[in-house]
Amino acid sequence: GQQLNQSPQSMFIQEGEDVSMNCTSSSIFNTWLWYKQDPGEGPVLLIALYKAGELTSNGRLTAQFGITRKDSFLNISASIPSDVGIYFCAGRPNGSGNTGKLIFGQGTTLQVKP
Amino acid sequence: NAGVTQTPKFRVLKTGQSMTLLCAQDMNHEYMYWYRQDPGMGLRLIHYSVGEGTTAKGEVPDGYNVSRLKKQNFLLGLESAAPSQTSVYFCASTHSRGAGFNEQFFGPGTRLTVL
Repeated sequence: GQQLNQSPQSMFIQEGEDVSMNCTSSSIFNTWLWYKQDPGEGPVLLIALYKAGELTSNGRLTAQFGITRKDSFLNISASIPSDVGIYFCAGRPNGSGNTGKLIFGQGTTLQVKP
Repeated sequence: NAGVTQTPKFRVLKTGQSMTLLCAQDMNHEYMYWYRQDPGMGLRLIHYSVGEGTTAKGEVPDGYNVSRLKKQNFLLGLESAAPSQTSVYFCASTHSRGAGFNEQFFGPGTRLTVL
């Protein structure tokens, strides 16, 4: 089936540093979503993107819908300890019908050293 | 609003036992989904439903059954649990159209161990 390649798999950074992660696909997507999962909790939606080239921010988080519609990027500026968690990208493939089904990346585990 | 709730939060089963996981949402969402999450595997879709009384198979449906008798509830059943079904199970829901379509809301998860 379709897959999303999310990288990096894990990051260990110093508090205050900026973070970048991305998701790529071999096929076109109509929607890109970014979720965060705290330990022991369910994923929580951070940002939703619906148009190619769209750049959307949510506080210190900024995400972009790639122009080719085959990738998306998430940046976190000035990281803080509570940014720790797993970040997932998810997307709805073009032509996937009206089921709302999403394809998920494998996640980027972020650890922040105070 | 409670959003998406799941019961139970934790469960330990012996091989061959059966159980049902309950998902409930109070957002009047038409679409509901069951996922399993395993280390390094991300979220994999087990079954989903696009409306009351309808269900469909996802990516990894074997060993599971589902039912959607009421719009707000989506049940996931394991008829004969196997150790390979040890996982964290998440339920999610979303609208079928309009603003927010595709934005799935997740429950807190059920952690299942099969011995």
